[in-house]
Amino acid sequence: AQSVSQHNHHVILSEAASLELGCNYSYGGTVNLFWYVQYPGQHLQLLLKYFSGDPLVKGIKGFEAEFIKSKFSFNLRKPSVQWSDTAEYFCAVNGFGNEKLTFGTGTRLTIIP
Amino acid sequence: EAGVAQSPRYKIIEKRQSVAFWCNPISGHATLYWYQQILGQGPKLLIQFQNNGVVDDSQLPKDRFSAERLKGVDSTLKIQPAKLEDSAVYLCASSLRDSATDTQYFGPGTRLTVL
Repeated sequence: AQSVSQHNHHVILSEAASLELGCNYSYGGTVNLFWYVQYPGQHLQLLLKYFSGDPLVKGIKGFEAEFIKSKFSFNLRKPSVQWSDTAEYFCAVNGFGNEKLTFGTGTRLTIIP
Repeated sequence: EAGVAQSPRYKIIEKRQSVAFWCNPISGHATLYWYQQILGQGPKLLIQFQNNGVVDDSQLPKDRFSAERLKGVDSTLKIQPAKLEDSAVYLCASSLRDSATDTQYFGPGTRLTVL
């Protein structure tokens, strides 16, 4: 069965700090990887996704993620965070033969002005 | 483009009562999903429809949960009877096709509290 681990439950950063949120997955086949974000009071929305090609994926609002197959990881990064990045971030995975999207438990990010 | 609509936004019931949630996906989206998100956890897929047919309901507690998408557009999720552990946010999502790489678009959710 596929699974996703997000080890950082709550991250607190100051504005302009660099961000890296960890995501590790368990899946035996070809994977598709996603980062979703939920801003306060808003819907879950897609931040970025990877399914093939360049393992460095760029998303909205300056976010990027790198797929490292050997480490089963898909960490989310942003070089300089803003107060408006305060949100909950979810990593998710599906793949060939199991298209059901499996989410991690999420990381709450708080940015201090 | 209108997003995924859900109602009600909040519902409080007592255990053993029944409740129903409604979802209207984005126009033209063939695939509809219902997720359960318990506090502190990520969303968990309950059921997936492709048009009006069920694709995956392996995690739906069928003794108490049911869902339908009769005309391949909007959908209803029902719980009967509710238990305390059903307290959660119920999310509806839709995607254009039934493809693993498709983006899923989520609605605002219905927060259910079972007392």
